[in-house]
Amino acid sequence: DQQVKQNSPSLSVQEGRISILNCDYTNSMFDYFLWYKKYPAEGPTFLISISSIKDKNEDGRFTVFLNKSAKHLSLHIVPSQPGDSAVYFCAASNAGNMLTFGGGTRLMVKP
Amino acid sequence: DAGVIQSPRHEVTEMGQEVTLRCKPISGHNSLFWYRQTMMRGLELLIYFNNNVPIDDSGMPEDRFSAKMPNASFSTLKIQPSEPRDSAVYFCASSYYQGFYGYTFGSGTRLTVV
Repeated sequence: DQQVKQNSPSLSVQEGRISILNCDYTNSMFDYFLWYKKYPAEGPTFLISISSIKDKNEDGRFTVFLNKSAKHLSLHIVPSQPGDSAVYFCAASNAGNMLTFGGGTRLMVKP
Repeated sequence: DAGVIQSPRHEVTEMGQEVTLRCKPISGHNSLFWYRQTMMRGLELLIYFNNNVPIDDSGMPEDRFSAKMPNASFSTLKIQPSEPRDSAVYFCASSYYQGFYGYTFGSGTRLTVV
């Protein structure tokens, strides 16, 4: 049973527009959420995180939104750049325990 | 710090052969994780260690897979005998504590079993 799901395997957006990547979870005990970015031939790297006590966290062009009642989080990238093309994984943790990852969404930003 | 170091970067082997993947975690990190990335299942946790002790190996596909962590600076993932369906990218990650501060991943080993 997948506790963290990314239902869109891929997303294509035009450069300069907004990219919205979505993630759903089922475990209401998750209290910390992270997004990782992965380029080909490299390992995933940490991008941004949010604690369950917040509903929004912003870092430059990247913003993560958390809707606890819907058990949904999203990553917004504005404006999108070709260098943002990568696979994005969302992950969730319960009280500092191990991370559970979603299946990933491949983002393609077209020039 | 050089980050999490995995070797080899690429491995091509024949079906039935033994394969050993290696990982050096970040110094001071006390948790180590082995993941497998496939198109179908995304990032799949195989096993993780805390303070060199295996905590959860429920993700190991079958008895052909084994992992060891003889000390805080080294871990191996062994597949014996290897099969074509084992072809994937294998990642090692380490963290302080079990994940609250996020993981640092290595660059992965791309395994191809022919």
